[in-house]
Amino acid sequence: DTEVTQTPKHLVMGMTNKKSLKCEQHMGHRAMYWYKQKAKKPPELMFVYSYEKLSINESVPSRFSPECPNSSLLNLHLHALQPEDSALYLCASSQVPGDGNSPLHFGNGTRLTVT
Amino acid sequence: RKEVEQDPGPFNVPEGATVAFNCTYSNSASQSFFWYRQDCRKEPKLLMSVYSSGNEDGRFTAQLNRASQYISLLIRDSKLSDSATYLCVVTSDRGSTLGRLYFGRGTQLTVWP
Repeated sequence: DTEVTQTPKHLVMGMTNKKSLKCEQHMGHRAMYWYKQKAKKPPELMFVYSYEKLSINESVPSRFSPECPNSSLLNLHLHALQPEDSALYLCASSQVPGDGNSPLHFGNGTRLTVT
Repeated sequence: RKEVEQDPGPFNVPEGATVAFNCTYSNSASQSFFWYRQDCRKEPKLLMSVYSSGNEDGRFTAQLNRASQYISLLIRDSKLSDSATYLCVVTSDRGSTLGRLYFGRGTQLTVWP
């Protein structure tokens, strides 16, 4: 069982909808991440939060809006998505930001389909 | 040039076989190295970290060659349950405070009975 919990597991939304993905971890990790993964491709980094502050935005379109309400929670707000945004969205956390010896722990992911 | 390059696979081996994957990285200042395993439609899970002296965990052995900038994963006595995609992950120290991770494309392994 993963210690990073993501909800929902599956999401189907239209291009005009607004939805949010949620992620929670209680391991005391201080870095949290959003990744996007398309079929047969490796995960692509979208955002990184370090000590609840956004530290990396990999030029992600503004229709994706991250939020970190506290050290345990990470949200990804979605608005006006495109069909090509359909993918597996993975949340991850790591113990110490900036420490390469601190591996990522991934959540189960949200499989998003945009119609 | 990509940060991390992996054997494309797929590798199809019988149970009990020994199989090895290689991964090369471009940044000589890379600091940390990991192998992750990802089952179909599941999230990646850490298989093992890779240490300079090499390390072993049961049937799995990871090695790092800094001079040639590659890491390897050896699986002995393959099991059906080893079938998965294996992702090589490398961190860079380009001044980022996060030790940004770079993923290889992954190598698909299928173990057949």
